[in-house]
Amino acid sequence: SYELTQAPSVSVSPGQTARITCSGDKLGDRYVTWYQQRPGQSPRLVIYQDTKRPSGIPERFSGSNSGNTAALTISGTQAMDEADYHCQAWDTRTTSVIFGGGTKLTVL
Amino acid sequence: QVQLQESGPRLVKPSETLSLICSVSGGSLSGHDWNWIRQPAGKGLEWIGRLYNGGRMYNGGGTNYSPSLKSRVTMSLDTSKSQFSLNLISVTAADTAMYFCARESAETGYQFDLWGQGTLVTVSS
Repeated sequence: SYELTQAPSVSVSPGQTARITCSGDKLGDRYVTWYQQRPGQSPRLVIYQDTKRPSGIPERFSGSNSGNTAALTISGTQAMDEADYHCQAWDTRTTSVIFGGGTKLTVL
Repeated sequence: QVQLQESGPRLVKPSETLSLICSVSGGSLSGHDWNWIRQPAGKGLEWIGRLYNGGRMYNGGGTNYSPSLKSRVTMSLDTSKSQFSLNLISVTAADTAMYFCARESAETGYQFDLWGQGTLVTVSS
């Protein structure tokens, strides 16, 4: 079955740029979605179709996807961005939704 | 504003059936697809399955389940009550998790754009 791999944790200083990656075989051939999950909360959609932001998501969130790696970039990271970030794609062979293991972003 | 709310027993005995309901308020079930997703404590998200209701298929009521759970899962829609449900049979401790219901919408490329707050279900005798 298709798998998505994320680093368990990423740290960033306030105001700096955070980059969270998600890898999978030929991932660039699929759309990738990103969700933010703050502690004790349900996930929130922040990026879909690789690069699109839903209404209400700050412009500092951006996405990219090429080759075997997708990335979520947070520019000017703020304390409120500290959360778990989950990538998601579609497994066309099994027609099912696949999530990465999640990356904990620490802003310190 | 559309809201989702999960409900159901918080404690289920091993080998029994886990049954949850997601109530949709402030909006219609029509034209969207509806999902269940779970998350064991401290772990990642796991998709359980989807109910099609006019989001991507003209015929409502079709389903698509995770291959790993397909033999134990049933999902159904009750439009008269604006609810959809999850039944997971023969549960074990491995099914202990936070269970979320979520909506997919055309506006966001059929991704999970609205989530319930989640309900923690523990499988234990």
